[in-house]
Amino acid sequence: SQTIHQWPATLVQPVGSPLSLECTVEGTSNPNLYWYRQAAGRGLQLLFYSVGIGQISSEVPQNLSASRPQDRQFILSSKKLLLSDSGFYLCAWSVRRVASGEQYFGPGTRLTVT
Amino acid sequence: KQEVTQIPAALSVPEGENLVLNCSFTDSAIYNLQWFRQDPGKGLTSLLLIQSSQREQTSGRLNASLDKSSGRSTLYIAASQPGDSATYLCAVGSSNTGKLIFGQGTTLQVKP
Repeated sequence: SQTIHQWPATLVQPVGSPLSLECTVEGTSNPNLYWYRQAAGRGLQLLFYSVGIGQISSEVPQNLSASRPQDRQFILSSKKLLLSDSGFYLCAWSVRRVASGEQYFGPGTRLTVT
Repeated sequence: KQEVTQIPAALSVPEGENLVLNCSFTDSAIYNLQWFRQDPGKGLTSLLLIQSSQREQTSGRLNASLDKSSGRSTLYIAASQPGDSATYLCAVGSSNTGKLIFGQGTTLQVKP
């Protein structure tokens, strides 16, 4: 069966510090991968998605970036965090090349920027 | 641009009641629609996926319907239980990359 992992589970970082959140998927190959952010009062917003290694599409202009160094690894990064980066970050995957496929979410990372 | 709206934002019902959660979307050209459940501080659990060619899907006490022409979906929960208390999110798949556009969610409280 497939599982999706995210770490860390919680993170408190000062403004201006760097960020690295990691997501890995087990039990499948060549998945589509997604990063979402859930901010208080704003709902879930798609940040990045990837259909393959090194293929990243950005949905929202921001000071965040994403990378996919391996098939089942998706990393969200920032060089300098802003207060507005606080939120709940969720990684998700779906079967590649299946546009109507179900999307599965990880447990999330709670980020607080102080 | 696809927009997804969920009404009501919050709902409180006594245990045992049947209830309906509503989701509407502005662009009927969708690939699928997915209903999720989110418990406080947790990730999303997929409940039901309806393909664009389908009218409804059922799982246990849950039934989701889709009417693309009117841009609406409903999630029906039968015989609600306190364990059903959570936030329910509707999401529309609007492109061939599988990207989802989410509604703001309906927070449900089922009182014993």
